[in-house]
Amino acid sequence: QEQLLESGGGVVQPGRSLGLSCEASGISFSSSGMHWVRQAPGKGLEWVAGIWYDGSKIDYSDSLKGRVTISRDNSKNKLFLEMNDVSPEDTAVFYCVRGEGGSGLGVFDIWGQGTLVTVSA
Amino acid sequence: SYELTQPPSVSVSPGQTATITCSGDGLDGKYTYWYQHKPGQSPVVVIYKDSKRPSGIPERFSGSNSGDTATLTISGTLPIDEGDYHCQTWDISTAIFGGGTKLTVL
Repeated sequence: QEQLLESGGGVVQPGRSLGLSCEASGISFSSSGMHWVRQAPGKGLEWVAGIWYDGSKIDYSDSLKGRVTISRDNSKNKLFLEMNDVSPEDTAVFYCVRGEGGSGLGVFDIWGQGTLVTVSA
Repeated sequence: SYELTQPPSVSVSPGQTATITCSGDGLDGKYTYWYQHKPGQSPVVVIYKDSKRPSGIPERFSGSNSGDTATLTISGTLPIDEGDYHCQTWDISTAIFGGGTKLTVL
C-alpha cells in the first residue's frame, strides 16, 4: 500500500523552529521527487518546497525561501522539512506529497494525511 | 510571479453539470492538474495533464485547457462530489495552486 506518513506537527511558539518528517512506504521513494504542500485554515493549498529524487535539485516557494529547508534520506525513505522563525501565519496542515517521476515536476499523485502545525504562544 | 484564479464557489443541482474554471496567462501552454479535497481527507488528483483521468476517477470528471482558461467539468454531479477543487500548474520548477473552489451540490 502506497503511503506517506507525516509527523512532527503540534504547537510551536512564534519565533521558534519546526521540524517535520514524512516516512514513505509502498513506493519507490528513492526514485521519486517529493514535495511539501500546506493549507492554512480557510485558505487554499500552497506549495512549500520540492526536492528531486536524489536531492540534487531543490526548489522553494518564493514567499518562504530563506526560512525553510527541505531534505531527504533515501536510506530511510524519509522526507524532512525545517521552518525557522515561525509566525501565526504559518499555522497550517502540512502535507507530504509525491510528485511525478524523479524530478517530481508533474502530477501530485500521492498525498500524506497531513500534520497540523499551530503557531501560538 | 505566475498566478491562477478560480471562482471561490460554484453551486450545482444534483444530476446537473458543474463547471469550475482556472485562469492564468497563457495557461494552455502549460499542463493543468485538478485536485478534489474533502473535509478531513487528503487531496486527490481527479484530472492531470489538462484532460487525463487517473484510474479510479469516475468518467463524469473531465478537463480541458484552452487560451488562458482550464476547465474542470463534472457531468451528472453527485452529492459525493461536494468539496473543494484546486487547480495547479508549474511555473518552471515552482508549483502554483489556484485559490480553490468550493463546490456545493444542492
